[in-house]
Amino acid sequence: DAGVIQSPRHEVTEMGQEVTLRCKPISGHDYLFWYRQTMMRGLELLIYFNNNVPIDDSGMPEDRFSAKMPNASFSTLKIQPSEPRDSAVYFCASLDGGGSYEQYFGPGTRLTVT
Amino acid sequence: GNSVTQMEGPVTLSEEAFLTINCTYTATGYPSLFWYVQYPGEGLQLLLKATKADDKGSNKGFEATYRKETTSFHLEKGSVQVSDSAVYFCALSGSGGYNKLIFGAGTRLAVHP
Repeated sequence: DAGVIQSPRHEVTEMGQEVTLRCKPISGHDYLFWYRQTMMRGLELLIYFNNNVPIDDSGMPEDRFSAKMPNASFSTLKIQPSEPRDSAVYFCASLDGGGSYEQYFGPGTRLTVT
Repeated sequence: GNSVTQMEGPVTLSEEAFLTINCTYTATGYPSLFWYVQYPGEGLQLLLKATKADDKGSNKGFEATYRKETTSFHLEKGSVQVSDSAVYFCALSGSGGYNKLIFGAGTRLAVHP
């Protein structure tokens, strides 16, 4: 299996622009998680889905952030409009609910908002 | 609420030294406990886990024991290698293991030849 796939790996954008991050979970995994990593705040869970349904979005920082999972093999995290404080590494992870509790992380998208 | 506290880094060791990274937690119920490792430029990888009290997780020479009486899950390795240089995260999840992972701040380990 190719593992969790994220795109793009790096994104540089200007303040006010819309940013869309993409994730393809491991086939057969029914949970998908979005995390944000910064030096100041460490790793934070933003939102997670089970069977494509959002279960907990309490970590989404504000209305500028939205996430969707239209099918079992694709999810997006959108920031509109972006701000410099959104600069971070965003990770997607997936998990097999019938398996071993292990979340498999993608390589991350490094977002820089100037 | 649930939380994880781990020792601050960086931890700098010589090759073949003994490693301990402390991790303590606060949680209601019976959480599962994890150690994840992050190598430079990569996502996190599960290193080991324990799902109930007194369980010992082990992998690649690393081990950690779920101590409910001291609410701890310290990571140890008897002889570190340069290739172990990475950031190590202690984490917990709620009962069932599918709830959100709560991570500690991470501890950077640097191993020198």
